[in-house]
Amino acid sequence: GQQVMQIPQYQHVQEGEDFTTYCNSSTTLSNIQWYKQRPGGHPVFLIQLVKSGEVKKQKRLTFQFGEAKKNSSLHITATQTTDVGTYFCADFQGAQKLVFGQGTRLTINP
Amino acid sequence: SQTIHQWPATLVQPVGSPLSLECTVEGTSNPNLYWYRQAAGRGLQLLFYSVGIGQISSEVPQNLSASRPQDRQFILSSKKLLLSDSGFYLCAWRLWGQGFPFFGQGTRLTVV
Repeated sequence: GQQVMQIPQYQHVQEGEDFTTYCNSSTTLSNIQWYKQRPGGHPVFLIQLVKSGEVKKQKRLTFQFGEAKKNSSLHITATQTTDVGTYFCADFQGAQKLVFGQGTRLTINP
Repeated sequence: SQTIHQWPATLVQPVGSPLSLECTVEGTSNPNLYWYRQAAGRGLQLLFYSVGIGQISSEVPQNLSASRPQDRQFILSSKKLLLSDSGFYLCAWRLWGQGFPFFGQGTRLTVV
């Protein structure tokens, strides 16, 4: 089945630095969803991107969907300690099957 | 409003013992239901999903099975647990054809 590859696997930054995680697929994605999982918690939905080239912002978070719908990125500007966690992208394979990338674990040095 | 309940929150079971994890959804009907497993520090692995009562799609051959005896109830089972079954088990629901799944709080299973 379609693989959704996410990089990097880990990222450690100083508080205030920016952070970006990338999600890539060899085939066209139907749409892309992003989730955040705090340490010890469950994944929480952040956003869904549907259109080619779409860009959405949530405060310091910027989400992009590639023009070819084969990649997506999440960028956090000026990280804060509350941003700590693992960020996942996910895609539907078929109508019902939601498959996740391996996630990027973000740690922050205050 | 819709809510999803998953229990227990933590579980320690000996190797070879059976397992039953239950997930129920309230406030909606005919949801899509999902079971995921997350090994420590790893990603989310889709185990099973269901689009209706008695309809189970299995994604990974393994020591586990799933059942959906009622519209809003999803059960994950094993007859004999293995050490490799340890992990964080997450149930999720989604309205058919709409948007994104909501996750339960998860069950942290340790097989000893």
